[in-house]
Amino acid sequence: EDKVVQSPLSLVVHEGDTVTLNCSYEVTNFRSLLWYKQEKKAPTFLFMLTSSGIEKKSGRLSSILDKKELFSILNITATQTGDSAIYLCAVTPGAGGTSYGKLTFGQGTILTVHP
Amino acid sequence: EPEVTQTPSHQVTQMGQEVILRCVPISNHLYFYWYRQILGQKVEFLVSFYNNEISEKSEIFDDQFSVERPDGSNFTLKIRSTKLEDSAMYFCASRGRIRGEQPQHFGDGTRLSIL
Repeated sequence: EDKVVQSPLSLVVHEGDTVTLNCSYEVTNFRSLLWYKQEKKAPTFLFMLTSSGIEKKSGRLSSILDKKELFSILNITATQTGDSAIYLCAVTPGAGGTSYGKLTFGQGTILTVHP
Repeated sequence: EPEVTQTPSHQVTQMGQEVILRCVPISNHLYFYWYRQILGQKVEFLVSFYNNEISEKSEIFDDQFSVERPDGSNFTLKIRSTKLEDSAMYFCASRGRIRGEQPQHFGDGTRLSIL
């Protein structure tokens, strides 16, 4: 059974701090790992990672995947109060003709950024 | 930017009643999904739908659940006889073209409350 574990479960920081969120996974025939940000409603897509060692970056957020050690990290630099949210990590198994991209999610990391 | 839309945002129903949750995926997307999130728990996969048929479903998606794409735009989830434990947030998601990795984009969800 596919499994995703995120740590820490919650994190409280002050504006300007840098945070690192962790995601480890076990999945049959790994295909991709995705990060989402969930505020009040829909998970909003952040990154999709398929290859090891290639950093994806968007503004103050960046993420990298290690397929050998089966984990990914999401970094947020110079945090702002608007970064407060639940950050979700999810994996999709490989195609192999039997998977149509279902996501298996971790439990999420609750990030709280204080002014 | 195109988005997935879901209606209603909140549905309150008596146990044993049928409910239909509606979704309009992003227009050129080919893969459609339903997930649910019980309060305080992980987002869980229910079903994926491609080429007008179910491509994959989880153990949660039993005979009480069904999905349909009745026309070119709507994608619905029906629960025939609701139970208390069906109370959750239900998310619809869609994903684009076949070739190349594409992320799933989520709607804002329908909060289903069973009384």
